[in-house]
Amino acid sequence: DIQMTQSPSSLSASVGDRVTITCRASQSISSSLNWYQHKPGKAPKLLIYAASSLQSGVPSRFSGSGSGTDFTLTISSLQPEDFATYYCQQSYSTPWTFGQGTKVEIK
Amino acid sequence: QLQLQESGPGLVKPSETLSLTCTVSDDSISSPSYYWGWIRQPPGKGLEWIGNIYYSGNTYYNPSLKSRVTISVDTSKNQFSLKLSSVTAADTAVYYCARTSNWEAFDIWGQGTMVTVSS
Repeated sequence: DIQMTQSPSSLSASVGDRVTITCRASQSISSSLNWYQHKPGKAPKLLIYAASSLQSGVPSRFSGSGSGTDFTLTISSLQPEDFATYYCQQSYSTPWTFGQGTKVEIK
Repeated sequence: QLQLQESGPGLVKPSETLSLTCTVSDDSISSPSYYWGWIRQPPGKGLEWIGNIYYSGNTYYNPSLKSRVTISVDTSKNQFSLKLSSVTAADTAVYYCARTSNWEAFDIWGQGTMVTVSS
C-alpha cells in the first residue's frame, strides 16, 4: 500500500493568514493526488484533484502543487469558513489511501 | 445537483453483517464515466477507502477488508450497496458513499451514516 503522510497534523492560524499543508507519498504517484476539506458532521468536499486542478465551485484561494512524492495544499488567505480538517488522497493505485489529516484551527 | 444518500441500520451486532445502500438521485449510475465508492471514518480517526464499483459490476476492494466486503450495483434502482460481514467494534464508523469521475477523485459524497457495532 502507498502510505500518505501529512504535515503538520494540526495548526493554528488567523483569518487572513497564508496556510500551507504538505503531503508526502511513500512512492511516486505521479500527479494522482487529491485534497479534501472535511467539517464535523458534513460530507468531505473535494478541493483539488490531479494535484493542481481546482474543483468547480471551489474558491481560488485554494491551490495545489507537486508531483511524484511531494505535494502541497495552499490557502492564500484563510477565511472563517476554512477552519476544518484537510485530507490528501492518492488515486494512483489501489488501495486508495488517505493522509491522516491536518486540522486547521483558529488562533 | 446530483445527490447521494446512504441508508441502513445504525446498529449492528458483533459477528453479523453490516448492510448499507446508497441511492443516487439520477440515472448517472449507469454512465460509463463514473465509478461509485464506499469510504468510512471510525470515531476520532481518518478516512479509509473500502472499495469501488463500476456500473458493469466490476469491483475493486481494499485488501484489508476484501475477505469481508461485497459491493454490488442495481442500475434499475439507481443504487449501489455495501455488505461487510463478521463485523466487530472496529467496524464502528461513519460510512460514506461517493462518486468518482474517471477513476480520479471522489467529487460527490453522501452525508454519511453512522453505524455502531454493539450487542
